[in-house]
Amino acid sequence: GDSVTQMEGPVTLSEEAFLTINCTYTATGYPSLFWYVQYPGEGLQLLLKATKADDKGSNKGFEATYRKETTSFHLEKGSVQVSDSAVYFCALSGDSSASKIIFGSGTRLSIRP
Amino acid sequence: GAVVSQHPSRVICKSGTSVKIECRSLDFQATTMFWYRQFPKQSLMLMATSNEGSKATYEQGVEKDKFLINHASLTLSTLTVTSAHPEDSSFYICSARDQQFSYEQYFGPGTRLTVT
Repeated sequence: GDSVTQMEGPVTLSEEAFLTINCTYTATGYPSLFWYVQYPGEGLQLLLKATKADDKGSNKGFEATYRKETTSFHLEKGSVQVSDSAVYFCALSGDSSASKIIFGSGTRLSIRP
Repeated sequence: GAVVSQHPSRVICKSGTSVKIECRSLDFQATTMFWYRQFPKQSLMLMATSNEGSKATYEQGVEKDKFLINHASLTLSTLTVTSAHPEDSSFYICSARDQQFSYEQYFGPGTRLTVT
């Protein structure tokens, strides 16, 4: 079945460092790919998405490119801030209206001032 | 737009009692809502898919008699944890699908349930 694998955390970086969180997926058809962010004590917020190969999703300085050839959707940010500290979930949804969202295990990111 | 609310945000109940959690889509109609459970420092586990006007579809291993789901309108779904026990303590998150414009899911802020 469909699945999402993302790098284990926690990831600890200094402010202004470059961030990469790896995510790869296994799916049939043409899934949509998502990154969600969860701040402490809160629900999930959609950070960015890409619905077809070579699409680049971007938001708040974060970017991820849908790479079908490597089945990847790595999250990147050029200069992280303390406020980016959160848990990040990579996810996919199949290409039918009945598709569920499959989540990765989540990566906890901590940014030091 | 596309806001989903949950009520209550936190609830503490005694073992053996039942607790109802509401999930509302505030500015759109949601024919499908989803209920997830999240254990500390873990990912979301889909519990059930709730379709307006019909019975919910539960994931394997989720007890339908324990986690009662009702989706009575296009903007409201409820999850009732019956005869709660301490092991039911968790973070419950709902999401709603706006099928009018896309198949994207919008998530509620979550409800933290503590059973004492």
